[in-house]
Amino acid sequence: EIVMTQSPATLSVSPGERATLSCRASQSVSSNLAWYQQKPGQAPRLLMYGVSTRATGIPARFSGSGSGTEFTLTISSLQSEDFAVYYCQQYNNWPLTFGGGTKVEIK
Amino acid sequence: EVHLVESGGGLVQPGGSLRLSCAASGFTFSGYAMSWVRQAPGKGLEWVSAISGSGATTFYADSVRGRFTISRDNSKNTLYLQMNSLRAEDTAVYYCAKGGRGYSSSWVDYWGQGTLVTVSS
Repeated sequence: EIVMTQSPATLSVSPGERATLSCRASQSVSSNLAWYQQKPGQAPRLLMYGVSTRATGIPARFSGSGSGTEFTLTISSLQSEDFAVYYCQQYNNWPLTFGGGTKVEIK
Repeated sequence: EVHLVESGGGLVQPGGSLRLSCAASGFTFSGYAMSWVRQAPGKGLEWVSAISGSGATTFYADSVRGRFTISRDNSKNTLYLQMNSLRAEDTAVYYCAKGGRGYSSSWVDYWGQGTLVTVSS
């Protein structure tokens, strides 16, 4: 099983600042990496797949990068609606696995 | 517009059974793999099971293999999860999830609202 490790667990950021979230895979997942956003009481929402392809309706302030085992989600200028928990997921191997999440909170 | 609506959750005793359903609409159901993903209270996301578009191929997490069975009825655009021998650690919100491409191994592009399963005596 591929273990996905996200860091930090919690990220405190002021509105308008940049946020950088990390995701590391225990073995290569090539470019088969997705990111999701989840707000309290809601289902997750797809942000990014194939490392850097934004899902429909996702604003350009969200960007993804990386390959192999190291990946990054960057939010260029945090808006109030971006404070949430973010998960990475690999779909290169079975079982599909998610990272433990990074909570982005208001500083 | 894609809609996924889960049903069938509830309170069940340890060792009991439950069957979840997910009614899908807004896309060609048989053309996409589907998954169940769960989230225990206050915890992260855990993939549970997936099924190919035709239903011929299924995949399970080790934690549920042998106890849970995923299936689909493409004539009814419905996904199922039969859960047997339920344990307290199966308590979670269960999400129905649509694969983003035709392959079974995929990201999730749409999620249902979730149905809560509580396993407790």
